[in-house]
Amino acid sequence: EPEVTQTPSHQVTQMGQEVILRCVPISNHLYFYWYRQILGQKVEFLVSFYNNEISEKSEIFDDQFSVERPDGSNFTLKIRSTKLEDSAMYFCASTPGDGTEAFFGQGTRLTVV
Amino acid sequence: AQSVTQPDIHITVSEGASLELRCNYSYGATPYLFWYVQSPGQGLQLLLKYFSGDTLVQGIKGFEAEFKRSQSSFNLRKPSVHWSDAAEYFCAVPFSGGYQKVTFGTGTKLQVIP
Repeated sequence: EPEVTQTPSHQVTQMGQEVILRCVPISNHLYFYWYRQILGQKVEFLVSFYNNEISEKSEIFDDQFSVERPDGSNFTLKIRSTKLEDSAMYFCASTPGDGTEAFFGQGTRLTVV
Repeated sequence: AQSVTQPDIHITVSEGASLELRCNYSYGATPYLFWYVQSPGQGLQLLLKYFSGDTLVQGIKGFEAEFKRSQSSFNLRKPSVHWSDAAEYFCAVPFSGGYQKVTFGTGTKLQVIP
């Protein structure tokens, strides 16, 4: 069964460093998303991406965040200068079309120290 | 504003007992509705979904959910809970309108006691 894959599963980084979280969405999907879940809190929408551009972003997704689809398979989330409060589980998701179910990856746990 | 509400933050049930997790949504039209489960240390797994048609939907792991338009609810049920069902459960609604996102409820953490 096709699945969304995320790498790495766990990343530890020092405050102020840049990190790139990687995702391979399901191959025929058109919409891509990043969500995050701070420990003990709800899953929060960060950004959606369609047709090679951001289609919507939340207030969390400020200038330190960026997303990219560098090739036909990968979808990345970059955090330019990490802060302690960026520590969270980051989920990538993809959907084939409008309003259909989102398939989530297993997540990348980011720890900023 | 569109929203999803899960009134129960934490529920404890005995193994073998029945389970119902509540979900209410606020949306102008009939939405698509989903339930996801997150086991400890794991990602989000889709349990079931409602798009249209039969309001009682069956999912994986013996779960079912019923869409009730009059109550704006989509409650998740299981007739007999297993210890492995201990997890956090999220109701979710995708809101479309030229762009995509899924809005999650705050989650209900299920504890199963022997």
